[in-house]
Amino acid sequence: KAGVTQTPRYLIKTRGQQVTLSCSPISGHRSVSWYQQTPGQGLQFLFEYFSETQRNKGNFPGRFSGRQFSNSRSEMNVSTLELGDSALYLCASSLTGPPSTEAFFGQGTRLTVV
Amino acid sequence: AQSVTQLGSHVSVSEGALVLLRCNYSSSVPPYLFWYVQYPNQGLQLLLKYTSAATLVKGINGFEAEFKKSETSFHLTKPSAHMSDAAEYFCAVSDQAGTASKLTFGTGTRLQVTL
Repeated sequence: KAGVTQTPRYLIKTRGQQVTLSCSPISGHRSVSWYQQTPGQGLQFLFEYFSETQRNKGNFPGRFSGRQFSNSRSEMNVSTLELGDSALYLCASSLTGPPSTEAFFGQGTRLTVV
Repeated sequence: AQSVTQLGSHVSVSEGALVLLRCNYSSSVPPYLFWYVQYPNQGLQLLLKYTSAATLVKGINGFEAEFKKSETSFHLTKPSAHMSDAAEYFCAVSDQAGTASKLTFGTGTRLQVTL
């Protein structure tokens, strides 16, 4: 069974640009969550999508947005990139809950903003 | 809001020694608790989880953790460390009862294993 797939693995963007990251969940998983990992702030929850609807949202500015497609694949978009957006962005998928007792993570997309 | 505190950002043990990584949680709902491991430039791999069944949870790679409600703790242990255990370990709590789709993570503990 294939795991969570994130593309691309690495990305370099210039300040002010926008970027789109992609996440394909495990087959049958309908919940996709996104996390940002930085040395200073650690792992922080961005948002969760379920059945093409945002179900939960963390404390991030509106420049961070996402969507989910009917096949459960999800994309995350960051507009007007800032240097502080440099981070490892992790996607996790899980079954609808309850019970939803595991979140499976992808390998992440390393975004560098210069 | 739920939260977890990991005591010790760096832990160093000798190969063959006991590994003990500490995690305390705060939760307003019956918690789901998790330990994840992260190797350099990789995602998170689930080591074990507590979901209100047995309080002693066994995971992969010889790790286990005990849920102690009275101490609000969920410490991770392994009897004998291997060099391959060197990584960063994260404790996490589910923000919503019965689901793992929104997790709050601790700040992580980097485990070093020396010869």
